[in-house]
Amino acid sequence: AQSVTQPDIHITVSEGASLELRCNYSYGATPYLFWYVQSPGQGLQLLLKYFSGDTLVQGIKGFEAEFKRSQSSFNLRKPSVHWSDAAEYFCAVGSYGGSQGNLIFGKGTKLSVKP
Amino acid sequence: DTAVSQTPKYLVTQMGNDKSIKCEQNLGHDTMYWYKQDSKKFLKIMFSYNNKELIINETVPNRFSPKSPDKAHLNLHINSLELGDSAVYFCASSQQGFEAFFGQGTRLTVV
Repeated sequence: AQSVTQPDIHITVSEGASLELRCNYSYGATPYLFWYVQSPGQGLQLLLKYFSGDTLVQGIKGFEAEFKRSQSSFNLRKPSVHWSDAAEYFCAVGSYGGSQGNLIFGKGTKLSVKP
Repeated sequence: DTAVSQTPKYLVTQMGNDKSIKCEQNLGHDTMYWYKQDSKKFLKIMFSYNNKELIINETVPNRFSPKSPDKAHLNLHINSLELGDSAVYFCASSQQGFEAFFGQGTRLTVV
């Protein structure tokens, strides 16, 4: 069965420090992978996606993620965190074809940023 | 101009009531979804609806029924509300199953 694991429930980093959020997936075929961010009381905003091609993908707000098939991972990174990055981050894997397209989400990682 | 909009944003109601949440997308997408986010922030698909084909998640009680009057709208009707239905419900849409765009969510509180 498809699944997504985000091992870190809560991470705290200092403003200006680098960030890496971990994501591991289980999927039978080539996965379609996503990172979404949810600010308090808000909906989910797509940060970046991987469908195929270059395994290092760039997203909005200075985020990037690297797809590593051998490790079944899709970790999210940012070189310098800003206070406004404090939010909940969700990794997701998508199933496609026909009327599907459902996303399977990890349980999320809450990011806190220290001044 | 909001891409995926849901109403209402907040809904407080008593147990046993029937309520509806409305969703509209102006992206021209062919597939719409309802997701439920529980108190621990876990997101789970409830339904997907594509060109009049409804895919029902087996774990969703039949008190929940999606209704799609047209391709741009997917409403969620809930009968006989229970305390455990309290959650945030997100509508989303996608084109041919690619990245989903989410609404702002409806926080449902059953008292």
